[in-house]
Amino acid sequence: DAKTTQPPSMDCAEGRAANLPCNHSTISGNEYVYWYRQIHSQGPQYIIHGLKNNETNEMASLIITEDRKSSTLILPHATLRDTAVYYCIVRVERGSNYKLTFGKGTLLTVNP
Amino acid sequence: DGGITQSPKYLFRKEGQNVTLSCEQNLNHDAMYWYRQDPGQGLRLIYYSQIVNDFQKGDIAEGYSVSREKKESFPLTVTSAQKNPTAFYLCASSQGFKQPQHFGDGTRLSIL
Repeated sequence: DAKTTQPPSMDCAEGRAANLPCNHSTISGNEYVYWYRQIHSQGPQYIIHGLKNNETNEMASLIITEDRKSSTLILPHATLRDTAVYYCIVRVERGSNYKLTFGKGTLLTVNP
Repeated sequence: DGGITQSPKYLFRKEGQNVTLSCEQNLNHDAMYWYRQDPGQGLRLIYYSQIVNDFQKGDIAEGYSVSREKKESFPLTVTSAQKNPTAFYLCASSQGFKQPQHFGDGTRLSIL
């Protein structure tokens, strides 16, 4: 699976949009971009995933560049409860791919 | 509510003891997984199961054992052969290998 690069930490004001970047310059054509987050002492929470089109759900939006070498997770109106470590993962969608490889992620701190 | 339940939340083990961590899901998912997370580290796959009565070793299976007798249950036993068992253990499930994995809230195991 392709390696991802994320900033170690970011800050965001409550109520503002949080834009979390991820570089995955070695991504191949059949690899999906997944985002998870982990609040301290809890299990990771699935947020969203996509291949090449932008995706949106009730939690967030995922913007993938046309060359697919980077993506941005957008939390449109960040709240204090969104403070967590956010992980960007690139993963092949095939039957034998069974594990998620989490890097160090980005610690997002939402400030009042 | 559908979800994944791990119990207990905290577990203490004496040297030489085996302990079993519970994982139950009511999402009707076929696949289940066990990961281990150490402080400041990503997740490492211990065991996974695609269907009932079948499971496979992950990257760090030594010192662990599992069973999958029922679709909704995937208990993990940490045996005395596991030399460094202190960690945060996470159970996950997915509809299939190609679908997003959803996690429980983990069990924190410590050695007395």
